[in-house]
Amino acid sequence: DVKVTQSSRYLVKRTGEKVFLECVQDMDHENMFWYRQDPGLGLRLIYFSYDVKMKEKGDIPEGYSVSREKKERFSLILESASTNQTSMYLCASTKAGGGGYTFGSGTRLTVV
Amino acid sequence: AQTVTQSQPEMSVQEAETVTLSCTYDTSESNYYLFWYKQPPSRQMILVIRQEAYKQQNATENRFSVNFQKAAKSFSLKISDSQLGDTAMYFCAFEWGAQKLVFGQGTRLTINP
Repeated sequence: DVKVTQSSRYLVKRTGEKVFLECVQDMDHENMFWYRQDPGLGLRLIYFSYDVKMKEKGDIPEGYSVSREKKERFSLILESASTNQTSMYLCASTKAGGGGYTFGSGTRLTVV
Repeated sequence: AQTVTQSQPEMSVQEAETVTLSCTYDTSESNYYLFWYKQPPSRQMILVIRQEAYKQQNATENRFSVNFQKAAKSFSLKISDSQLGDTAMYFCAFEWGAQKLVFGQGTRLTINP
């Protein structure tokens, strides 16, 4: 019954590596989002997309990029991973018009 | 800018008690949604309850209810007859026309047996 799937639950990468976090939803939602979650800071928006090949910067886009080649898939890319990108990453989707997100189960990324 | 504030980083109550989590927000929008999400140790964010700003009636979902005070920009969550499975992080969130969610910092709730 999983509707938003994140490809990895835990990930350990080295500083400087290029990292791909994948997210797939099966609900035909138009909107997809990437957040990072850090203790005491809640969830902060990195990037979002309202349609295929569209992307918009969120509140903390620095050091990240995204790709949305198909409606159901939204990828987050860390071009050159750094230790301050160690965090929990959450993907979410919603239909056009909003009204509540469906979240993936998160990827805990550690950059060493 | 829209902001959401949860002033209680941690709360702890005994099983079967009632607990209220606080949330305030700041916005100049008139039409928006407010949410409470639960994140148990499994990390899956689960929608607990949703309130549409134009509806004056407070939303309820079984043991969960909200006290929505639009003028005061307050949106508290009440959990009645609390259960061990309610132990989780709870996030208050705000959504307006852009469908972006703005989250509070979270409240860690522990239900003790």
